[in-house]
Amino acid sequence: QSVLTQPPSVSAAPGQKVTISCSGGTSNIGKKYVSWYQHLPGTAPKLLIYDNNQRPSGIPDRFSASKSGTSASLGITGLQTGDEADYYCGSWDTSLSTFVFGTGTKVSVL
Amino acid sequence: QLQLQESGPGLVKPSETLSLTCTVFGGSISSTTYYWGWIRQPPGKGPEYLGSMLYSGRTYYSSSLRSRVSISVDTSKSQVSLKLTSLTAADTAVYYCVRQHGTSEHLDYWGQGILVTVSS
Repeated sequence: QSVLTQPPSVSAAPGQKVTISCSGGTSNIGKKYVSWYQHLPGTAPKLLIYDNNQRPSGIPDRFSASKSGTSASLGITGLQTGDEADYYCGSWDTSLSTFVFGTGTKVSVL
Repeated sequence: QLQLQESGPGLVKPSETLSLTCTVFGGSISSTTYYWGWIRQPPGKGPEYLGSMLYSGRTYYSSSLRSRVSISVDTSKSQVSLKLTSLTAADTAVYYCVRQHGTSEHLDYWGQGILVTVSS
């Protein structure tokens, strides 16, 4: 079972903003970096954010993220229909010595 | 541009061993900065980390699969391999090869994935 907890779904109208939370613990988010992944149907997951709040080259600044204590969040502004996807947070867990993913959040554009 | 390409059988029988190979193009598999690993995603479920390996041999495995999974790196062929034994229907999933940053642990490159179905 997933160690990191996310809301099952969030939705908003085009152009609006959504925020996805990711709750973990002291052995993962509390100690290690958080990364975020976008999974569009039929494609491989794509890295959106690394090192808590850094965007890889090519990821628009509509995507932003932050971390505080044992929680993290991903924000998407200027929502587009192409943003409809599943989003996962991830972090290394020092107790398990494995990478752990969040439960996943489905973003819908109304 | 780094590319990862998985290959292997799409259908395997229960109790058998799954063997998958990932070939790395456009980058060095011998880097000391990156681990090479495998993630799987069962239909309708979230991704699951299986394990990762540094080319020099340091390896991490999922605690729930540790007794059944092994990962190896062949630097001469620029390939990463996965073996998963004692398969059941629960192992049916899309299997992805990934590159993992050694310090901040994020997964920055993914292969396109290969669907593996376990069925008799």
